[in-house]
Amino acid sequence: AQSVTQLDSQVPVFEEAPVELRCNYSSSVSVYLFWYVQYPNQGLQLLLKYLSGSTLVKGINGFEAEFNKSQTSFHLRKPSVHISDTAEYFCAVSDLQGAQKLVFGQGTRLTINP
Amino acid sequence: EPEVTQTPSHQVTQMGQEVILRCVPISNHLYFYWYRQILGQKVEFLVSFYNNEISEKSEIFDDQFSVERPDGSNFTLKIRSTKLEDSAMYFCASTELSPYNEQFFGPGTRLTVL
Repeated sequence: AQSVTQLDSQVPVFEEAPVELRCNYSSSVSVYLFWYVQYPNQGLQLLLKYLSGSTLVKGINGFEAEFNKSQTSFHLRKPSVHISDTAEYFCAVSDLQGAQKLVFGQGTRLTINP
Repeated sequence: EPEVTQTPSHQVTQMGQEVILRCVPISNHLYFYWYRQILGQKVEFLVSFYNNEISEKSEIFDDQFSVERPDGSNFTLKIRSTKLEDSAMYFCASTELSPYNEQFFGPGTRLTVL
């Protein structure tokens, strides 16, 4: 069974500052890794995913994440945030086989202050 | 751009009543999922559905829950006798038959059980 831990429930940052949202996972097998974003009153939207290959993956809206197998982490970063990045961010993992359900972390609320 | 839709956006019901939550997945997708998010908690997997049968279900998905694809376009989640603890946001998701498992989520239905 897998589990995902997002260490920060809330992260406030100023506009144009860099941000890192932390995610650690636990699994006895190889997994796919994902970051989803949820804007107010909307569904979950995929930001980026790690399947294999390069450990640095780039996603939409200038976000990127780095897979670190030894630390079982998949932290999300953006060098300069905008007001429009205010949202809830979810880290998730899934098995490589089968129905591939997503196992989510608790979410991190990113608040951008002007 | 194709999207997953869900109706209603908000459902209020009395404890013990039956509710049906409806989803229209993206038309060429083959795997369907229901997740729920109790307020303040993480998004949890309920059930996955493929080829007109359940692929996997969680321990949350007990005999009170059922899913159906009645007409080739809708995908429904029925709760037979709602409990207070069923109050949550319910998300539907769908994906193509792909190893990369990008699940597309609907906007959710907020279920309130009184």
